[in-house]
Amino acid sequence: GESVGLHLPTLSVQEGDNSIINCAYSNSASDYFIWYKQESGKGPQFIIDIRSNMDKRQGQRVTVLLNKTVKHLSLQIAATQPGDSAVYFCAENISGATNKLIFGTGTLLAVQP
Amino acid sequence: DAGITQSPRHKVTETGTPVTLRCHQTENHRYMYWYRQDPGHGLRLIHYSYGVKDTDKGEVSDGYSVSRSKTEDFLLTLESATSSQTSVYFCAARDNSGNTIYFGEGSWLTVV
Repeated sequence: GESVGLHLPTLSVQEGDNSIINCAYSNSASDYFIWYKQESGKGPQFIIDIRSNMDKRQGQRVTVLLNKTVKHLSLQIAATQPGDSAVYFCAENISGATNKLIFGTGTLLAVQP
Repeated sequence: DAGITQSPRHKVTETGTPVTLRCHQTENHRYMYWYRQDPGHGLRLIHYSYGVKDTDKGEVSDGYSVSRSKTEDFLLTLESATSSQTSVYFCAARDNSGNTIYFGEGSWLTVV
């Protein structure tokens, strides 16, 4: 399948380092946020989510931070592995919208061995 | 895993021909979606469904129609395919217990 990584900002990290991927969202009324991972030729895969009443949530090797003051979301990946190489994008749900998500264009994470 | 499968996974078709993409889900999700994904754009919503025979337009609905005659199937139809509809199409469904949306593996469509 065609790569969706073209024309995307790229973050290059060394294997074992921590990665931080950032996302600026658009709507102050957004109340729910999701991070997805998309490998080449595959569908987006849910990683972690966070609601607007939280500012941090942790999963397995991943942490999402939410700063509502500046409308900023970040995904931290600890001890990055080659299998983490993918496009990562955030999505926001605007409160009251009929469960429609607005997606960012994504960041390509390239893990160097 | 939300039990979402798409067919066909790859298709090449000629301009002006009709094309139907099928999305099938096994988890009794109420909400289903069709998105397209193109380089330089995020996922863009084409149409969505909030129940059997209940559908609504998304942000890029022109040239597309959908149907949902039963809970498990959501069909996307291009009545007369154009080259601008060459894209990757993703079906998605919302978890009934929350807001999380899960995606299928995609359908690569090329219109020549």
